[in-house]
Amino acid sequence: DTEVTQTPKHLVMGMTNKKSLKCEQHMGHRAMYWYKQKAKKPPELMFVYSYEKLSINESVPSRFSPECPNSSLLNLHLHALQPEDSALYLCASSRESGGRWSTDTQYFGPGTRLTVL
Amino acid sequence: AQSVTQPDIHITVSEGASLELRCNYSYGATPYLFWYVQSPGQGLQLLLKYFSGDTLVQGIKGFEAEFKRSQSSFNLRKPSVHWSDAAEYFCAVMSLMNYGGATNKLIFGTGTLLAVQP
Repeated sequence: DTEVTQTPKHLVMGMTNKKSLKCEQHMGHRAMYWYKQKAKKPPELMFVYSYEKLSINESVPSRFSPECPNSSLLNLHLHALQPEDSALYLCASSRESGGRWSTDTQYFGPGTRLTVL
Repeated sequence: AQSVTQPDIHITVSEGASLELRCNYSYGATPYLFWYVQSPGQGLQLLLKYFSGDTLVQGIKGFEAEFKRSQSSFNLRKPSVHWSDAAEYFCAVMSLMNYGGATNKLIFGTGTLLAVQP
């Protein structure tokens, strides 16, 4: 089973709201990723967690705050977002990251469609 | 720097016709290559991947891809397209980044949008 689940599917928030996106996998993967995807563009990497530690932050603004409470769960906390942050937010996981190539295949969730008003 | 080029932004094929989507990569070492498909408003689904070995790779949904080192290409093919294949297709190469610990990063092409005519 290569399933990554994300909640909610859709989220509408105002610029002063605080909300969170949730991602879960039960494949025993130790690496998890957040991507942002604007319309008609490829996904852009935001964060990588490896063994529950943040290993990559691609210069993402501090209004996005990731959290990895355990090896199965990844959250993205949102605060004071801007309308240009509206996008599809994708979560992915892989067995490892930076290890053997064959274990680093990423599996994606269905995404959360975020609209910031 | 590593990069992936998908020269075709948009392709239209008739249902039942064959399909080839082009992907060219730039990478200094042996590349590790992927094709993902994305239906509208959905996440990315892995179609197939190439790490080593046989250069012709079989994937899901009847897709295959051929790795050609001499041409730096990893083109995706399907002999007979179905209407349900209409989607965005992304080619990607895995790149090893070192942030004080090695981490792999996917570098995506810009995508090819496939439309299927009845």
